[in-house]
Amino acid sequence: QKEVEQDPGPLSVPEGAIVSLNCTYSNSAFQYFMWYRQYSRKGPELLMYTYSSGNKEDGRFTAQVDKSSKYISLFIRDSQPSDSATYLCAMSAKQTGANNLFFGTGTRLTVIP
Amino acid sequence: GAGVSQSPSNKVTEKGKDVELRCDPISGHTALYWYRQSLGQGLEFLIYFQGNSAPDKSGLPSDRFSAERTGGSVSTLTIQRTQQEDSAVYLCASSIAGVQETQYFGPGTRLLVL
Repeated sequence: QKEVEQDPGPLSVPEGAIVSLNCTYSNSAFQYFMWYRQYSRKGPELLMYTYSSGNKEDGRFTAQVDKSSKYISLFIRDSQPSDSATYLCAMSAKQTGANNLFFGTGTRLTVIP
Repeated sequence: GAGVSQSPSNKVTEKGKDVELRCDPISGHTALYWYRQSLGQGLEFLIYFQGNSAPDKSGLPSDRFSAERTGGSVSTLTIQRTQQEDSAVYLCASSIAGVQETQYFGPGTRLLVL
């Protein structure tokens, strides 16, 4: 079983829609959760970073963590064509290091004008 | 520089040849990471350098893979005797003292082994 599971999509939505992206995980020790956005032929860029459970909002983006269900979500409100990218979740039990950071496979999102 | 840079951006090589991929991290970032991203796969950790500590090589898939970081800055990932399954995007990232929240990625090197 993979540490992190993410539906690869692809996901297509009309402009203005609310997008929900999700990941599940198996390791209950994970407490740092990240969402990255990766445009085509670019490296991932950090979008949201949360610690433990709860919600975090940044503009049109909301990250939600449910540790009891081992489930995290990223919501995008009023989606724009510029949001078209691959979204990767990542999580870790520690704040530092590298071999303890686990990534999902990414969900490819297309927002249609 | 303004961000993490990598070269070359694309590399096509023949099976059995050696390749070198270069990463120039953000100035002042003490930690440097190499990842591999294959189609349909998540980012696969390869190797991690943090300051003057011994590198964490636990992610290297075989002894054909090696990496160096000279002077605490530029890093080179070397793949010897390349195989077709080595074809992937190789991503470099750097961060402040290994703090994951401060990790910035380069654009990657797309390697194709024929």
